[in-house]
Amino acid sequence: EAGVTQFPSHSVIEKGQTVTLRCDPISGHDNLYWYRRVMGKEIKFLLHFVKESKQDESGMPNNRFLAERTGGTYSTLKVQPAELEDSGVYFCASTNTAGVVGELFFGEGSRLTVL
Amino acid sequence: AQSVTQLGSHVSVSEGALVLLRCNYSSSVPPYLFWYVQYPNQGLQLLLKYTSAATLVKGINGFEAEFKKSETSFHLTKPSAHMSDAAEYFCAVSTGANSKLTFGKGITLSVRP
Repeated sequence: EAGVTQFPSHSVIEKGQTVTLRCDPISGHDNLYWYRRVMGKEIKFLLHFVKESKQDESGMPNNRFLAERTGGTYSTLKVQPAELEDSGVYFCASTNTAGVVGELFFGEGSRLTVL
Repeated sequence: AQSVTQLGSHVSVSEGALVLLRCNYSSSVPPYLFWYVQYPNQGLQLLLKYTSAATLVKGINGFEAEFKKSETSFHLTKPSAHMSDAAEYFCAVSTGANSKLTFGKGITLSVRP
């Protein structure tokens, strides 16, 4: 069974540019989460999808961030325009609603560097 | 609201020595507590969890953790460290199934030969 995959693994962009990160969850997982880790700090929650609906987006930093999950399968996280403070590692995770409590399956992360 | 405190950023132990990684939490409701591990170039992986059943929980690779409500702690231990345990360890708390996780800052474990 394929795990959670994220693309790209690393992206380097200039301030003001746009970047789109993609996450493919484990097949059949209704719950999809985005988290972010800024260097030296803790991993922070961004948002939670249940199928295609946003269940909780309380962690989204501002309106430069847009997350979508059309059709309830893969998800994208777009940052437009990117700022220096957006640099960090963006993790995607998924889980089955009927699965083990708290057992999120994480991808390897997408490292974003904004210059 | 909930939070997790992991003091220190790095722990170094000798192979065969006891591993003790500390975690203290704050939660306004009965918490679910987790330890995740991230090996180099991999995603986070669940090590073990506490979900209001037994207070001493056992996880993969010989790790265990004890939930102590009076101390608001969930420290991770392993009696004998192995070189393969070198990784970053994260303590996390949530308020329920499928709820968002609140992580600590993580702690890097190094194992000396």
